[in-house]
Amino acid sequence: AQTVTQSQPEMSVQEAETVTLSCTYDTSESDYYLFWYKQPPSRQMILVIRQEAYKQQNATENRFSVNFQKAAKSFSLKISDSQLGDAAMYFCAYRSAYTGTASKLTFGTGTRLQVTL
Amino acid sequence: DGGITQSPKYLFRKEGQNVTLSCEQNLNHDAMYWYRQDPGQGLRLIYYSQIVNDFQKGDIAEGYSVSREKKESFPLTVTSAQKNPTAFYLCASTQTGNYGYTFGSGTRLTVV
Repeated sequence: AQTVTQSQPEMSVQEAETVTLSCTYDTSESDYYLFWYKQPPSRQMILVIRQEAYKQQNATENRFSVNFQKAAKSFSLKISDSQLGDAAMYFCAYRSAYTGTASKLTFGTGTRLQVTL
Repeated sequence: DGGITQSPKYLFRKEGQNVTLSCEQNLNHDAMYWYRQDPGQGLRLIYYSQIVNDFQKGDIAEGYSVSREKKESFPLTVTSAQKNPTAFYLCASTQTGNYGYTFGSGTRLTVV
């Protein structure tokens, strides 16, 4: 079974600065997808960024980028130019590419990000 | 706009009662999921369904039941057998491929 580990329960960053959230995962599969989700105080889960394991290029979405290290099974999220609206719980998630819609998302325990002035 | 609607937003249950949480989607997604969220534990899968009239247990199915009579609907019943039902429940849907899930806005269930 796959596992996802987020070792930072809480992080803090000053507005306009850069912060990196860590995620490691364990799997024996070679093809899979990785995701970062944001959960603000409203508790709505919002997809931030996705990465396909077969792609070597790191995904980027505006101020959000990932550092995907497949051999190390590491998938960190970098937030640049942090804004107050970035304050939220961030979840890393894994999904197998092999089982179609039966493939569940496995989540880490989350990192709470605080953004200070 | 397409999306997932969960209702109610807040639900209170007395000890020994069954309650049903609603989840409806208009995204034409085949697969639907129910997750439970507790503080410090991330999201844990309760049940999922790939097609109508078929569903599978997730990691924490005990004390819960589901049905999938329509593609758009995947209600979750929290039975009296669920020993600790107070939690935040999230419904999601997806399609095959490199897609993440689309989530509903959740239901907060409290036992009183």
